[in-house]
Amino acid sequence: QKEVEQNSGPLSVPEGAIASLNCTYSDRGSQSFFWYRQYSGKSPELIMFIYSNGDKEDGRFTAQLNKASQYVSLLIRDSQPSDSATYLCAGYMDTGRRALTFGSGTRLQVQP
Amino acid sequence: GAGVSQSPRYKVAKRGQDVALRCDPISGHVSLFWYQQALGQGPEFLTYFQNEAQLDKSGLPSDRFFAERPEGSVSTLKIQRTQQEDSAVYLCASSGRNYGYTFGSGTRLTVV
Repeated sequence: QKEVEQNSGPLSVPEGAIASLNCTYSDRGSQSFFWYRQYSGKSPELIMFIYSNGDKEDGRFTAQLNKASQYVSLLIRDSQPSDSATYLCAGYMDTGRRALTFGSGTRLQVQP
Repeated sequence: GAGVSQSPRYKVAKRGQDVALRCDPISGHVSLFWYQQALGQGPEFLTYFQNEAQLDKSGLPSDRFFAERPEGSVSTLKIQRTQQEDSAVYLCASSGRNYGYTFGSGTRLTVV
């Protein structure tokens, strides 16, 4: 089992819809999680991080963390074609490693 | 500098050749990370520096991989006797006092 798991997709949503991206993690002790967006051929860019249980909103993006279920999600409201990218979930796994562990990413396609 | 700079942007190496990949982090960033990203996968951790100290090299796939950051700023990832399986994008990231990473544009290595 990978430490950070994501459905590879593609997840296809129509323009204006809500896109829901999900991530599960193996280490119950993990505290903080990050969502990165990666356009094809580009490097990952940080879009949100979340440390506490519950929801965190930033513009059209909402991150949700449920530590009891070891589950992180990212909601994108009013999806735009420009949101089409791969979304990477990452967290600090409690292996003593002070570096982020990334999932394999979910490819999102927003259909105009 | 304003961002993380990596060079070269692309590198084609013949199998068995040695290569050196350079990363110039954001000025003042203490932490520096190297990741390897295969096509369609998430970034995989290679190694981590705090200033000039290499605190974790557990992700380096073999003893052909070597990284250094002698003055706590610029870092070099060296791969000796390259093999086809080394073909990937090599990402460098740096981090300041918060937990967020800023990635460079990456070096795409193709071993032929």
